[in-house]
Amino acid sequence: HVQLQESGVGLVNPSETLSLTCTVSGGSTSSYYWSWIRQSPGKTLEWIGSIHSSGSTNYNPSLKSRVTISVDTSKKEVSLRLTSVTAADTAQYFCGRDAGQGWCDTWGQGTLVAVSS
Amino acid sequence: DIQMTQSPSSVSASVGDRVTITCRASQGIGTWLAWYQQTPGKAPKLLIYAASSLQSGVPSRFSGSGSGTDFTLTISSLQPEDFATYYCQQADSFPYTFGPGTKLEIK
Repeated sequence: HVQLQESGVGLVNPSETLSLTCTVSGGSTSSYYWSWIRQSPGKTLEWIGSIHSSGSTNYNPSLKSRVTISVDTSKKEVSLRLTSVTAADTAQYFCGRDAGQGWCDTWGQGTLVAVSS
Repeated sequence: DIQMTQSPSSVSASVGDRVTITCRASQGIGTWLAWYQQTPGKAPKLLIYAASSLQSGVPSRFSGSGSGTDFTLTISSLQPEDFATYYCQQADSFPYTFGPGTKLEIK
């Protein structure tokens, strides 16, 4: 069965760029949407954006100016870049697989990113 | 953005109890609604999609209903592993949004 694993730097300086990768194993990235969702400590979930295996993207307008999501189907990796981070971007970041209806049926375990100098 | 609200924000119940959680959307979303369960330190787990469809592998004690703006998640007979936080999510329009969560605690 498909598994997702997030990876990336866990501590980012303010104003710098957060970069995360979601590696897909046990399945293909093709024909699915891949989402990034985050959860600030003690808070609810926030949808960051998603990408189809074809490359088409949708982003949360609240983050759109700072977010880029990309997919490398040959490596089975989905990437997230978030620029100009602040403490408000400190969160657990999850990647998820969406079959096209908007909900994620498979999630990675998440990775905690702290923004601090 | 579509705002999602949930009630109650927390509930205490005992093993074997029946529990219902409500989710309301700020505008009609048809049946574009999912429910997730999250335990501390873990990723959310999809329970219900399309408002009332049970995700594969999820016990049948979980059920969902509703359409438009009002939705419910019901757990028919609580088991120890069900004590967690539950979130609803609308998938009708971008940006997708989640409810604030309902924490289900042991009485």
